[in-house]
Amino acid sequence: GAVVSQHPSRVICKSGTSVKIECRSLDFQATTMFWYRQFPKQSLMLMATSNEGSKATYEQGVEKDKFLINHASLTLSTLTVTSAHPEDSSFYICSARGGVLYYGYTFGSGTRLTVV
Amino acid sequence: AQTVTQSQPEMSVQEAETVTLSCTYDTSESNYYLFWYKQPPSRQMILVIRQEAYKQQNATENRFSVNFQKAAKSFSLKISDSQLGDTAMYFCAFMTPSNFGNEKLTFGTGTRLTIIP
Repeated sequence: GAVVSQHPSRVICKSGTSVKIECRSLDFQATTMFWYRQFPKQSLMLMATSNEGSKATYEQGVEKDKFLINHASLTLSTLTVTSAHPEDSSFYICSARGGVLYYGYTFGSGTRLTVV
Repeated sequence: AQTVTQSQPEMSVQEAETVTLSCTYDTSESNYYLFWYKQPPSRQMILVIRQEAYKQQNATENRFSVNFQKAAKSFSLKISDSQLGDTAMYFCAFMTPSNFGNEKLTFGTGTRLTIIP
């Protein structure tokens, strides 16, 4: 079945630095990728939608200059948290949709970001 | 805007029993998809079952089935013969297809299900 690989699974960074999270579709071409943020014991909050080769569409309230999303190929999307602060600490999950809606959405395994 | 409501924050049931998780949604669209996702302690999101709104027949996947009531905008998940591995957070989700490639899932707040040995 469709597999999405997300790395790293955990990352600790110092306040003020930047962190990049990668999301790769391993056996299908992901025309659209989604980035979510999940706080403890809460639901997934969509941050942005990216289509290969075009600029990401950010949800209201999400700072596009802080959360940089790049979807340069059909198999790779990256989320860069710039100038990270402790309040950016969270669980980030990517999701990919291939060209056929039938298969639904495949999720990565998530990245726990801790900013100290 | 579409909204998804899960009114049961937590549920628990004895192993081998049947449990039903409720979900209601609000939309003005006629064509849409509904999903149930499972998030175990590993936090990996796993698709449990999917329902297309234009299909009247309720979807079934082994021990998992749905009761889709389109007029009532209700989409409940029934788990039969529950197993310890079913312990997880369950999210109901809604999606409206579009031609612009940015169909997004709207999630409910989740139901934490615990299967008791």
